[in-house]
Amino acid sequence: SQTIHQWPATLVQPVGSPLSLECTVEGTSNPNLYWYRQAAGRGLQLLFYSVGIGQISSEVPQNLSASRPQDRQFILSSKKLLLSDSGFYLCAWIGSENHNGYTFGSGTRLTVV
Amino acid sequence: AQTVTQSQPEMSVQEAETVTLSCTYDTSESDYYLFWYKQPPSRQMILVIRQEAYKQQNATENRFSVNFQKAAKSFSLKISDSQLGDAAMYFCAERAGNMLTFGGGTRLMVKP
Repeated sequence: SQTIHQWPATLVQPVGSPLSLECTVEGTSNPNLYWYRQAAGRGLQLLFYSVGIGQISSEVPQNLSASRPQDRQFILSSKKLLLSDSGFYLCAWIGSENHNGYTFGSGTRLTVV
Repeated sequence: AQTVTQSQPEMSVQEAETVTLSCTYDTSESDYYLFWYKQPPSRQMILVIRQEAYKQQNATENRFSVNFQKAAKSFSLKISDSQLGDAAMYFCAERAGNMLTFGGGTRLMVKP
């Protein structure tokens, strides 16, 4: 069965520090991968998506970047965090061979102080 | 481009009663799929129900059912016999290709 792992669950980082959030998928190959951000009580904002290794599409120009070094690994990074980067980050995957919805990771709650 | 609209930011329901959450969408795709997700206080996104656009029959999952009106591009979620554990944010979404477009969400409160 397919599973998705996302870590860390909670992170408190000072302004100006770097960020690395990781997401891995098991039990499938060549998944489409997505990073979303959600402000408290708000909707989902698509940040990045990837259809394959090294292929990254950015939806919102900002202080963040994404990378996909392996087929089932998706990393969200920042060189210098801003206060506005605080939020809840969700990783998700979808398979091209089915018509299901996203399967989401459990999320990372990031607080920039 | 696809758009999904949830016109009810908040809804409340009495425990054991029935509530309907509204969703409309706009798409130029002929082949698409619709979903409702639940996000409880833990913030884990949980798939509640799925509807294929080519199917006329409304999807049902236990106490959850949809009213899919394709011509009107409407996809509402009905929760019967509401329980305290149903309190959550609910998101409607449309899949076209390999991308989901989400509505802004509806917060459902369940009163004991």
